[in-house]
Amino acid sequence: KQEVTQIPAALSVPEGENLVLNCSFTDSAIYNLQWFRQDPGKGLTSLLLIQSSQREQTSGRLNASLDKSSGRSTLYIAASQPGDSATYLCAVRPPDSSYKLIFGSGTRLLVRP
Amino acid sequence: GAGVSQTPSNKVTEKGKYVELRCDPISGHTALYWYRQSLGQGPEFLIYFQGTGAADDSGLPNDRFFAVRPEGSVSTLKIQRTERGDSAVYLCATGGYNTGELFFGEGSRLTVL
Repeated sequence: KQEVTQIPAALSVPEGENLVLNCSFTDSAIYNLQWFRQDPGKGLTSLLLIQSSQREQTSGRLNASLDKSSGRSTLYIAASQPGDSATYLCAVRPPDSSYKLIFGSGTRLLVRP
Repeated sequence: GAGVSQTPSNKVTEKGKYVELRCDPISGHTALYWYRQSLGQGPEFLIYFQGTGAADDSGLPNDRFFAVRPEGSVSTLKIQRTERGDSAVYLCATGGYNTGELFFGEGSRLTVL
């Protein structure tokens, strides 16, 4: 059974720092991996989608990498800003039920001014 | 609208009552998913529609939960005889056919007193 773990559960950093959020999954057979942002009381906003054949995706100050063989993904945020404060969730889509996403519990990020 | 729309945004009800939660998908998206998110956790899969039919309802917790999508567009999640443990945010997500990416609504927060 696929399980997704995100470490750390919470992170507080001063503005301007570069930071890395980690996501690990137990079964390397995945269809894709998606990173989401969730603001308090809001839905999920898709940040980056990495297909199983890809190694990384970039969007602005965000870079997500995927190492399927080791069951890991990282989300790199450059030059963090207070507006980046949110919960970041990663989710994998297994190939055997490719329409389901299996989520981690998220990393709650606070960027201090 | 441009995004996934969910109503109501908040619903407070008493134990034992019946509730309906509605999801309006992005126009043209054939795939529709319902997820449930408890406080501090990632979303958990409930049910998936491809068109009008429920392709997978294995995530529904029990027979008090039911969902329909009669015309392949709007979906309604129905909960009978609500219990306090049903309190959560119910998220709807949609995607195009064969797309790897899901787009989420802002959710319906259900509180059962």
